[in-house]
Amino acid sequence: DARVTQTPRHKVTEMGQEVTMRCQPILGHNTVFWYRQTMMQGLELLAYFRNRAPLDDSGMPKDRFSAEMPDATLATLKIQPSEPRDSAVYFCASGPPGPLGADTQYFGPGTRLTVL
Amino acid sequence: RKEVEQDPGPFNVPEGATVAFNCTYSNSASQSFFWYRQDCRKEPKLLMSVYSSGNEDGRFTAQLNRASQYISLLIRDSKLSDSATYLCVVNTGGFKTIFGAGTRLFVKA
Repeated sequence: DARVTQTPRHKVTEMGQEVTMRCQPILGHNTVFWYRQTMMQGLELLAYFRNRAPLDDSGMPKDRFSAEMPDATLATLKIQPSEPRDSAVYFCASGPPGPLGADTQYFGPGTRLTVL
Repeated sequence: RKEVEQDPGPFNVPEGATVAFNCTYSNSASQSFFWYRQDCRKEPKLLMSVYSSGNEDGRFTAQLNRASQYISLLIRDSKLSDSATYLCVVNTGGFKTIFGAGTRLFVKA
């Protein structure tokens, strides 16, 4: 049963520290999405990639957030420096090739980030 | 105004009841529509796509009204296991997907 994996599952850090979250998309999927979920804002799309190229990262605070896909099996989301308002659950999702890539998204279990 | 709006609920219904959720979207150029389900402290999972002609999957029926820009989800014969948050999702073009805030459903014995 193919799944999206995310590490770490939980992260507690102090304000100002760098945080790196990792995602392994389902093998063969070439679309990757990063979302952030909070009680106040719900699920927000931060960035997405197609064939490892960033298509849109307009949902991401540029000054502290960065997203990359070093290879087809790894996507990273980095926050530097982290702030308490970044506390949220960060989800990665992947989609298959073809027109269904955005329509059929498979989510990972999320990284629960707490910034003190 | 949010791009995708849902009644947050919660909807509290007894087992066996029929319950309906609505969702409205603001971008008339939106191209595809979905319902996802999210259990407490879990990731969202695709429940079903929504087509203009309507589609049914067992006890679940989804409908799209483009003229009025709303999407609906009907659950018949509710089960305890249907308790979850239901997220309305709109693809506004390309790969940009917008999630609604979700409607919480509690099904009670």
